[in-house]
Amino acid sequence: DAGITQSPRHKVTETGTPVTLRCHQTENHRYMYWYRQDPGHGLRLIHYSYGVKDTDKGEVSDGYSVSRSKTEDFLLTLESATSSQTSVYFCAIKNGGLRSGANVLTFGAGSRLTVL
Amino acid sequence: GIQVEQSPPDLILQEGANSTLRCNFSDSVNNLQWFHQNPWGQLINLFYIPSGTKQNGRLSATTVATERYSLLYISSSQTTDSGVYFCAVDRDDKIIFGKGTRLHILP
Repeated sequence: DAGITQSPRHKVTETGTPVTLRCHQTENHRYMYWYRQDPGHGLRLIHYSYGVKDTDKGEVSDGYSVSRSKTEDFLLTLESATSSQTSVYFCAIKNGGLRSGANVLTFGAGSRLTVL
Repeated sequence: GIQVEQSPPDLILQEGANSTLRCNFSDSVNNLQWFHQNPWGQLINLFYIPSGTKQNGRLSATTVATERYSLLYISSSQTTDSGVYFCAVDRDDKIIFGKGTRLHILP
């Protein structure tokens, strides 16, 4: 198993509070991704990172920020959580490059966030 | 941005039946992957298939990059095949998913 750990796995919070989800990898992979999964929408890309301090927006980035200060950690922050951000959040990693298997995407177990 | 469409959205089959899931994408991509999400929410990579055909047991996949589509074949379905199947396209390291096909295999 790829070493990906998401924390917390479950969180209930109130509207307007800040929330940070953490994705930690032990694989030294270059690329890290945050997705949200909602019924009827599949997985939608929020932000991704292609290296330390290198990040870019995805499809649904409004209301979210990210940081990657070291290779192994990719943080997703909701500055002021809203009920529309209730979702299951998945982190994923890939190594990148030309070697066989380098671009296979591997997922964490997910973090279920409920905003009341 | 690139659009990814999967069909059918839902599929109900009897155990032992065969099925074909389709993924269309709107622009050229660097690679394509198929995933299975089991009833517990776990996402498992099935195939990494930028082009050509691959087989793994009862599953096989074909990607025709020039025509911008990929097909996932499941033969002799089992109840453990139930879940949601996603395709995902990678264009310049931005990986976009389709909405998935939900498959129910009845015993």
